[in-house]
Amino acid sequence: SQTIHQWPATLVQPVGSPLSLECTVEGTSNPNLYWYRQAAGRGLQLLFYSVGIGQISSEVPQNLSASRPQDRQFILSSKKLLLSDSGFYLCALISWNQETQYFGPGTRLLVL
Amino acid sequence: QKEVEQNSGPLSVPEGAIASLNCTYSDRGSQSFFWYRQYSGKSPELIMSIYSNGDKEDGRFTAQLNKASQYVSLLIRDSQPSDSATYLCAVNIPEDTGRRALTFGSGTRLQVQP
Repeated sequence: SQTIHQWPATLVQPVGSPLSLECTVEGTSNPNLYWYRQAAGRGLQLLFYSVGIGQISSEVPQNLSASRPQDRQFILSSKKLLLSDSGFYLCALISWNQETQYFGPGTRLLVL
Repeated sequence: QKEVEQNSGPLSVPEGAIASLNCTYSDRGSQSFFWYRQYSGKSPELIMSIYSNGDKEDGRFTAQLNKASQYVSLLIRDSQPSDSATYLCAVNIPEDTGRRALTFGSGTRLQVQP
C-alpha cells in the first residue's frame, strides 16, 4: 500500500523568509500528487497538482510554487513568506489505477 | 462551479446513538464518493468509498448513495466519543485534464457526548 511522508511536521518561520516543504511517496508509481492548504477551522484548498515529473498546475494565484523533480517527490516552496501563508499543508496522492485520494500527515506552518 | 455541500454543524449526538451526516453534490456526472474523518490537528483519513446507488456497510459505518437525488450520507451506529471529529464528503468530478482531484465539502463537525 502507498505511504506518504511529509516534513517537517511543524515549522515556525518569520515573514519574508523562504519555505521548502517536502513530500515523498512510497508504494506506487506515477501517481497524481497534490498540495492542499487548510487554514484554521476551514476547508481544504487545492493549491497545486502534478500528473508527472516536471508537470505542475496551479489552482489559485498565490505566493507559493511547486516542483516535482522525481516521480515520488513533490516540493512546495516560497521565496518570501506572508502571514497569510500560515496553515496546515497536506500532500495527497491518487494512484494511476485508482480513484481514492490519500493524504500525508501534513506540515503545520506558522508565519510570524 | 462544481460543489459539494455539507452542514458545518456541530452535530451533537449522545453516546450509543446513530449519527447521520449528509452531503449533496452538484455534478450529475460524478461516479465516485468518499467519506473522510479528520481529527483536530490531523490529516484526513479515508473511512469509506461508495460507487453504486444503495447502502454500503463497514462495521459501524454505512454509506448511502442516491445519484438521482445527488445525495450521499454516512451513518455511524453506536456512536462513541472517539468518533468526535470533522467528517469530509468528497466527490470525483469527471474531466479530461488528468487532474483527477476530488472535490471536498467543508466538513461536518460531529460531537459525541458521553
